[in-house]
Formats: sequence, structure tokens, C-alpha cells
Amino acid sequence: KAGVTQTPRYLIKTRGQQVTLSCSPISGHRSVSWYQQTPGQGLQFLFEYFSETQRNKGNFPGRFSGRQFSNSRSEMNVSTLELGDSALYLCASSLIGHEGYTFGSGTRLTVV
Amino acid sequence: DQQVKQNSPSLSVQEGRISILNCDYTNSMFDYFLWYKKYPAEGPTFLISISSIKDKNEDGRFTVFLNKSAKHLSLHIVPSQPGDSAVYFCAASISGAGNNRKLIWGLGTSLAVNP
Repeated sequence: KAGVTQTPRYLIKTRGQQVTLSCSPISGHRSVSWYQQTPGQGLQFLFEYFSETQRNKGNFPGRFSGRQFSNSRSEMNVSTLELGDSALYLCASSLIGHEGYTFGSGTRLTVV
Repeated sequence: DQQVKQNSPSLSVQEGRISILNCDYTNSMFDYFLWYKKYPAEGPTFLISISSIKDKNEDGRFTVFLNKSAKHLSLHIVPSQPGDSAVYFCAASISGAGNNRKLIWGLGTSLAVNP
């Protein structure tokens, strides 16, 4: 079966701009979680969506937001980009929660 | 405050020998632990897990040991192979409000298996 698909794979944006990243989970998976990975900070949890509702949220500023559609596809948006937002953004899906997460390959965001 | 700690950022092992990756945690309410492996330019992939009611779980070359009194778990890879070279993340799970579960991640240990 198809894995978790994240688009785009690479993105370069300028400070102050906004960006939208997309994640298509494995068919049938209803839970989608987003993570930010930076060197030295490991995997930082952004948020989790389940059946179109955000049910967990990490400690990120309000510039980071997300949503999930009825087909379980999810998007995350970062507004007013800062240099420190440069990172690998990973999406993971599972049937009900984090056990058995399947990750996508990530979107590498560079803010210049 | 890092609740899940992988104190060794990197580890180098000879092919065929044992690799031992360590993970310490601070919250005694964690009840499920997972190990993920990550290659460059790819997302992490699930490797092995263990429930807090067990002290050992084995899957082929991979064994995870849990010492609850010490709040410590370790991943053993025997024998190590060059293809095992990757970053290994330890994660701990805790039940939150509304029966939601949260996953807390360590910073990862980069394993290099030398031929």
C-alpha cells in the first residue's frame, strides 16, 4: 500500500512569508501528527489531528497551525517565517495514535 | 526539560559486534516505549517497542530491555551490520487527558557500524 506522502520535498522561502505543507496519510489512517526536526533538538511535536480535530498540541507559537480534511489529508501552515523555522517537517500517520506511526520522508524547509 | 534522554549523541561499533543504545526517562507514568530508526533524507521507521509491564522484547537481531526501577531502557543490536548505520530515536508514551496519548522523543543517537 502507498506510504505517507509529503509535498513538497524541498522548499525555500524568504523571512516573513508563509508556507503550507501537505501530508497524505496511509489509506485508512485517521491520525496525523506533525513534527519539526532540527539538529540538536531532535523531533519536536507540533500537533496531532484525528478525525478532523486537533487533539494534541506541542509548544509552538501560534504561527504554526494545521488542519485535517475529511479524507484525513492534513496541511500545516507557518506564517511570518523566521530563519529559525528552517527544519525538516515530518508527518506521521497511524490508525488510532502514535503506536505504529508511519512517517513520510518529510519536507525540508529553508528560510532565507 | 528533556523527559526522554539519549545521552550519547553518537556511537561507533565494529561490524558483527553488539550495539547498545541507551535511553533514560524521568516520568514514571510512561507506560510504553518505542525505538525508531532514521536514515538521512527519510522519515523515521518503527523498529521495536515494549510495554511497561514487560522487561524485554525481542525481534530478530533487535532486543529492547526495560528497567523500570532505573527508568532506563536499552536497544541491543546483535550482530551489528553496516546497514544498521542510522540515527536511532527512543520515544516514550503517556496517557493524557481524554484518553489521548502523547509521545515524547529523545534527541537520537547516531550509530555508525564500521565494516
